[in-house]
Amino acid sequence: AQSVAQPEDQVNVAEGNPLTVKCTYSVSGNPYLFWYVQYPNRGLQFLLKYITGDNLVKGSYGFEAEFNKSQTSFHLKKPSALVSDSALYFCAVRDQVNNNAGNMLTFGGGTRLMVKP
Amino acid sequence: DTEVTQTPKHLVMGMTNKKSLKCEQHMGHRAMYWYKQKAKKPPELMFVYSYEKLSINESVPSRFSPECPNSSLLNLHLHALQPEDSALYLCASSPIASGSAYEQYFGPGTRLTVT
Repeated sequence: AQSVAQPEDQVNVAEGNPLTVKCTYSVSGNPYLFWYVQYPNRGLQFLLKYITGDNLVKGSYGFEAEFNKSQTSFHLKKPSALVSDSALYFCAVRDQVNNNAGNMLTFGGGTRLMVKP
Repeated sequence: DTEVTQTPKHLVMGMTNKKSLKCEQHMGHRAMYWYKQKAKKPPELMFVYSYEKLSINESVPSRFSPECPNSSLLNLHLHALQPEDSALYLCASSPIASGSAYEQYFGPGTRLTVT
């Protein structure tokens, strides 16, 4: 079974400061990892993914994430937060050994990011 | 075109009504998904269609009936819903490739209220 944990329900950061949104995962094999963002009353937007290779993944809107296999973590980061980054962020995982048709993801509980001016 | 569209945006229905949600994508994706999302919670997978065939049903009550008429369209037929079925219903699509990991593209959702 695969699972994802986002230990913080909410993260508060001042505009211009760096931000980190935490994610840890559990899979039986090697993971595919994703970050999505959701603005109010909208669908989820893809930010970035880790499949293999470089542990530092760069994505949309200046976000990046670092894959750490020993700590089973995939934390989302941004060097300088914007007020417009305020949204709900979801980490998701798919086990590479999952051969089900379709790309089934397991989502974390979500973290609300609040960036204050 | 990298967009998934969903109609209607909002739907209010009584418990005895029959209604349908519609989802459309023109990205050539052969996997399509229905999710249910409650406020401030992650999406919960309901159904997965692969090559227009239902491949996964996550033990969803029969009052929800999915349909995939062709590779671009996905419907969710609703009948005799309960107030607790009120939620945001999200559609998503993705390519299918064994041994790879394509991201899912989500539509904006239909906000459903059951009265």
